Amino acid sequence: EAQVTQNPRYLITVTGKKLTVTCSQNMNHEYMSWYRQDPGLGLRQIYYSMNVEVTDKGDVPEGYKVSRKEKRNFPLILESPSPNQTSLYFCASRLKGYGGELFFGEGSRLTVL
Amino acid sequence: KQEVTQIPAALSVPEGENLVLNCSFTDSAIYNLQWFRQDPGKGLTSLLLIQSSQREQTSGRLNASLDKSSGRSTLYIAASQPGDSATYLCAGNTGTASKLTFGTGTRLQVTL
Repeated sequence: EAQVTQNPRYLITVTGKKLTVTCSQNMNHEYMSWYRQDPGLGLRQIYYSMNVEVTDKGDVPEGYKVSRKEKRNFPLILESPSPNQTSLYFCASRLKGYGGELFFGEGSRLTVL
Repeated sequence: KQEVTQIPAALSVPEGENLVLNCSFTDSAIYNLQWFRQDPGKGLTSLLLIQSSQREQTSGRLNASLDKSSGRSTLYIAASQPGDSATYLCAGNTGTASKLTFGTGTRLQVTL
């Protein structure tokens, strides 16, 4: 089944404890992206990757890191999480970097205490 | 900078009613526009994608239109059902077309 898989789906952590949210897609998509969703603010893009080894900042990249060493994986790294990073995170992918239908993962709900 | 607005923020209709959800965007240089559905606690499911060269797309009871000159897209849902209850989001690809800007969504409730 074609899908975007995120892990963990739910996580409670404490300020400053490094964490990684994994994202994997099995559709051979070139483009992958991370979003966060907050009440009243909608979905905002954190980082995106047009292809392997090519990443760029979205609207809200502060406090996050990403890497794209393989086509299928695009992990989101929070080096030193803070409470303002408590949010619902989504990974998404599409076939090409420009245009095309975007497919989303189920989301990862992160709480930073 | 592209801004996408969806009005109303919430809508409640009785089952069987036809309805229209609105999406407005500020930058007419839009590459394409995509409509999504989001159920509570779930990810986003793609409903329809309209390329900039197209004016509308249809899938079952759903029809989405795109008017770049007026900066508007509409999602038409025919014969609404309780299972249509969800939040509907629109998102536009602009600029380099690698960036997707989302509206804040319309929460739809279809009542029996």
